[in-house]
Amino acid sequence: EAGVVQSPRYKIIEKKQPVAFWCNPISGHNTLYWYLQNLGQGPELLIRYENEEAVDDSQLPKDRFSAERLKGVDSTLKIQPAELGDSAVYLCASSSGLQQETQYFGPGTRLLVL
Amino acid sequence: GESVGLHLPTLSVQEGDNSIINCAYSNSASDYFIWYKQESGKGPQFIIDIRSNMDKRQGQRVTVLLNKTVKHLSLQIAATQPGDSAVYFCAENIWGGKLIFGQGTELSVKP
Repeated sequence: EAGVVQSPRYKIIEKKQPVAFWCNPISGHNTLYWYLQNLGQGPELLIRYENEEAVDDSQLPKDRFSAERLKGVDSTLKIQPAELGDSAVYLCASSSGLQQETQYFGPGTRLLVL
Repeated sequence: GESVGLHLPTLSVQEGDNSIINCAYSNSASDYFIWYKQESGKGPQFIIDIRSNMDKRQGQRVTVLLNKTVKHLSLQIAATQPGDSAVYFCAENIWGGKLIFGQGTELSVKP
């Protein structure tokens, strides 16, 4: 069974440019998460989807970040415009949606903003 | 705010020895905890979990201990191998599926 797929794996952009990350969760997982991981830190939740509905986006900086999961399967996270401080790893995870269900992570997208 | 944290940022052990990685949590209402392993360039990988109605759970070469009295969690790795070298995170699953991670402990295994 394929795991969580993310692309691209690496991205280098100049500040003020837009960038987008894509995630395809494990088949059948209706809950999808986007996390931000800074160097040496644990992941921090940005947004959680139950199917196509964003049920927790309280930590998403909505002035520059946006996300969508239109058909309740794959998802896109966008930053526009990117800032130097956005350099980090963006992780996607999925779970079957039950309470206390294990979250499975993708490999992440490593973003460097110059 | 409430957070999950780790006592030691780095741990170095000799191959074949047992490793113990500790974690303190502060949310007394949480009742589910997970240990993840993260290798360089990869996403966190699930190792083992434990619910608050248990104080010990064993997997293959790994054991998680939960002490709710002092809000402490530990991961024990038996016969540590070079492939165990990674950063280990404990995470606390709050109601509703929100996972809060600690900062991580980097385990280095010396041959």
